[in-house]
Amino acid sequence: NAGVTQTPKFRILKIGQSMTLQCAQDMNHNYMYWYRQDPGMGLKLIYYSVGAGITDKGEVPNGYNVSRSTTEDFPLRLELAAPSQTSVYFCASSYSSGRTNSPLHFGNGTRLTVT
Amino acid sequence: AQSVTQPDIHITVSEGASLELRCNYSYGATPYLFWYVQSPGQGLQLLLKYFSGDTLVQGIKGFEAEFKRSQSSFNLRKPSVHWSDAAEYFCAGGSSNTGKLIFGQGTTLQVKP
Repeated sequence: NAGVTQTPKFRILKIGQSMTLQCAQDMNHNYMYWYRQDPGMGLKLIYYSVGAGITDKGEVPNGYNVSRSTTEDFPLRLELAAPSQTSVYFCASSYSSGRTNSPLHFGNGTRLTVT
Repeated sequence: AQSVTQPDIHITVSEGASLELRCNYSYGATPYLFWYVQSPGQGLQLLLKYFSGDTLVQGIKGFEAEFKRSQSSFNLRKPSVHWSDAAEYFCAGGSSNTGKLIFGQGTTLQVKP
């Protein structure tokens, strides 16, 4: 059981380039999330999805896009990379919402540097 | 607004000493509260969770946390710290009607031999 898989692990982008961070889970979880982690700032929610075809903005969505065409996959797209997007990105999934006390399962992260 | 605050950015304790990491929350109703641990280069792992009922919850690796409504706190404790506990610890609070978790800023734990 792989859990939550993120690719790539590391990436360096030039300003203005675009890329997609991949996230896949094999636990048949309905809820999926993208967080970014910056030193001293904890984790900030970028986007989340409560099921295939449904996405919503989190705390810091600007500069990012997501899609959820299948239950398993939740890619995060950066269209015009900026230095402010240098961060560690975590994908997570859960069976249900916080209302039912379902914990998050995290991937191992993607470290992105924009120069 | 809903928020989760961890007042201590960095804590150092000696191996074998007791540990308490602080977490304060601001929610209108009873939140769902979690503690996660992150080892270097890894994702986050759930230590324990509070949903309702008994305010003292037990977690993995010998950790426990106590929910205190009067103090809006959910502090993490361990009676005797091991060197392998050195990591970053995150407190998180869940909204009652969505799946969104709000994370605190994190506390880095260093363990002295």
